[in-house]
Amino acid sequence: ILNVEQSPQSLHVQEGDSTNFTCSFPSSNFYALHWYRWETAKSPEALFVMTLNGDEKKKGRISATLNTKEGYSYLYIKGSQPEDSATYLCAFTGGSYIPTFGRGTSLIVHP
Amino acid sequence: SQTIHQWPATLVQPVGSPLSLECTVEGTSNPNLYWYRQAAGRGLQLLFYSVGIGQISSEVPQNLSASRPQDRQFILSSKKLLLSDSGFYLCAWSVNGGSEAFFGQGTRLTVV
Repeated sequence: ILNVEQSPQSLHVQEGDSTNFTCSFPSSNFYALHWYRWETAKSPEALFVMTLNGDEKKKGRISATLNTKEGYSYLYIKGSQPEDSATYLCAFTGGSYIPTFGRGTSLIVHP
Repeated sequence: SQTIHQWPATLVQPVGSPLSLECTVEGTSNPNLYWYRQAAGRGLQLLFYSVGIGQISSEVPQNLSASRPQDRQFILSSKKLLLSDSGFYLCAWSVNGGSEAFFGQGTRLTVV
């Protein structure tokens, strides 16, 4: 069983704060790293896919970086808004092409 | 476009009763199919995956089983539910050889 860790487990921030979370994964046999956003009562939806060491992706106020050599990825949210409240999941895919998910970071943004 | 259907959305079942959750995918052929579970306070745990009809791999020994009778149909079953089977079950698919997972709407199972 692959070990994909996310930290922190939960995070409470004020509207306007910037925040970041971490995903760590095996540094060998890497294929892709996905970030998903999971809102309550909805299905997880993909935010980013990163495949190359040093990849950086950005969508609006949200961005992500990837370091495959040391096995971590960061997700950043700039100027958090209440609508950013969700659980953020990362998923590591290795040579088997089977996504292994972390436990997620639950973000709550207070107005 | 591809769509994934999962039902039922919610289910309350007594301990010892059987279970059948169904998932179908439209608009693609030969997908990889997955069943995940989120137990209370935990992340998504991979239960089963399938790369083809009749091919099922189990990640965690448990009270559940899965079957893939058709290319785009994935079924999660149990003969006798336990209290610990309660949780949120998600079906997902990915392109064969791809990495992004596309999820169904989930089933909230409560075993009482």
